[in-house]
Amino acid sequence: AQSVTQLGSHVSVSEGALVLLRCNYSSSVPPYLFWYVQYPNQGLQLLLKYTSAATLVKGINGFEAEFKKSETSFHLTKPSAHMSDAAEYFCAVSDRVKAAGNKLTFGGGTRVLVKP
Amino acid sequence: NAGVTQTPKFQVLKTGQSMTLQCAQDMNHEYMSWYRQDPGMGLRLIHYSVGAGITDQGEVPNGYNVSRSTTEDFPLRLLSAAPSQTSVYFCASQRGGGYEQYFGPGTRLTVT
Repeated sequence: AQSVTQLGSHVSVSEGALVLLRCNYSSSVPPYLFWYVQYPNQGLQLLLKYTSAATLVKGINGFEAEFKKSETSFHLTKPSAHMSDAAEYFCAVSDRVKAAGNKLTFGGGTRVLVKP
Repeated sequence: NAGVTQTPKFQVLKTGQSMTLQCAQDMNHEYMSWYRQDPGMGLRLIHYSVGAGITDQGEVPNGYNVSRSTTEDFPLRLLSAAPSQTSVYFCASQRGGGYEQYFGPGTRLTVT
C-alpha cells in the first residue's frame, strides 16, 4: 500500500522567507501527486498536482513543487511567505493503476505559521 | 454551481445513536469519497464510490455504511456511534481516476 511522509508537523517561517514543505512517497511506480491546503475550519483546496508532464509544477498562490523520481519526493516551495499562507498543507498520492480508482493517500499534514 | 455540499456542519451524538451525514455534488463527477480527519493523521479514506451503485471500502470502514443510488448523492451512515468516531468528516468528488478531488466544507461530529 502507498504511504506518504511529510517531514515536520509544524513549520514556522518569517514573512518574506522561503517556504519549504517536504513530502516523500513510497511507491516504486511514480503515482499521481497532489498538494492541498486547508485553511481553518474549511475543506481542502487543491494547490497543484503532478500527473506526468513537467517535473516542476506550478500551482496557485505562488506555490510550486518539484517531482524527483530518484528521491521519491514532491517537495512544495514558495519563494516568499505571506501572512495569508498560514494554513495546514497536505501531500497526497494516488496510484496510476486504474483499479485504484480515486483512492487518495494523505500525509499527516504540515501546519505553517507565518511570523510578521 | 455549489460544488460539494455537506450537511450538517456540526453534530453531537450520544454513544449508540445512529445518523446519516449527507453529501451532494452538482459537477456530475463519477467518483465520490468519504474521509475522516483526526489531528496528526491527515485524512483517512472511509468508503468510496466509482459510480452509482458501486461502492467499496477504504482504509477505515468499520462502523460506517454507504450507498450510492444517484450520481449526485453519497450519504455516510453511522450505525451505532462510538466516541472513537469523534472526528471531522469530509466528502469529496472527482471527475475520474487521476483527476483532483473537490472537497466539501466538512462535518464536525462529536460522540459523547
